[in-house]
Amino acid sequence: DIRMTQSPASLSASLGETVNIECLASEDIYSDLAWYQQKPGKSPQLLIYNANSLQNGVPSRFSGSGSGTQYSLKINSLQSEDVATYFCQQYNNYPLTFGSGTKLEIK
Amino acid sequence: EVQLQESGPGLVKPSQSLSLTCSVTGYSITSNYWGWIRKFPGNKMEWMGYISYSGSTSYNPSLKSRISITRDTSKNQFFLQLNSVTTEDTATYYCARSSSTDFDYWGQGVMVTVSS
Repeated sequence: DIRMTQSPASLSASLGETVNIECLASEDIYSDLAWYQQKPGKSPQLLIYNANSLQNGVPSRFSGSGSGTQYSLKINSLQSEDVATYFCQQYNNYPLTFGSGTKLEIK
Repeated sequence: EVQLQESGPGLVKPSQSLSLTCSVTGYSITSNYWGWIRKFPGNKMEWMGYISYSGSTSYNPSLKSRISITRDTSKNQFFLQLNSVTTEDTATYYCARSSSTDFDYWGQGVMVTVSS
């Protein structure tokens, strides 16, 4: 199985700041990566697919980048509604696997 | 609008079977892929498997001997059965739509506790 190592596990940032969340794959996943946001008590929402493509309706302050084994999710101008847990997921190989999640809070 | 809704018992006894239904509205399950994902206490997410537009299935090898995903196209529903459950199967279970890659629509999730 492809192991997805996500960091940091938790993150506290101020409103308006820029934050980065990282995902490291145990092997090359050729940009076959998605990012999800899960707000408390809600189901996950797809933010980014193919490592850097923004899902329809997702604010442009979210962006994804990376290649090979290293990927990141960037959130510009942090807003209060961004409080959530963020997950990465690879789909280059079966079984599909997820990162362990990053819990984002506002300072 | 595509909507998915999970239903099923919230409590299952050890060694019994867990059975869940995902009802889909706004889109036909004879298109795309339809999956089950679970989230354990502590946040770990696990893809369990899915059923395709044609009815073929793909399962996580970690579950392969215990899992079955089926569908009823006349009702636009698909189903999860997980046999011989243990307390380690306690989780929130989600159904979701996929293109066999990412998951773009999710149900609200159903919490299932395995306990005697």
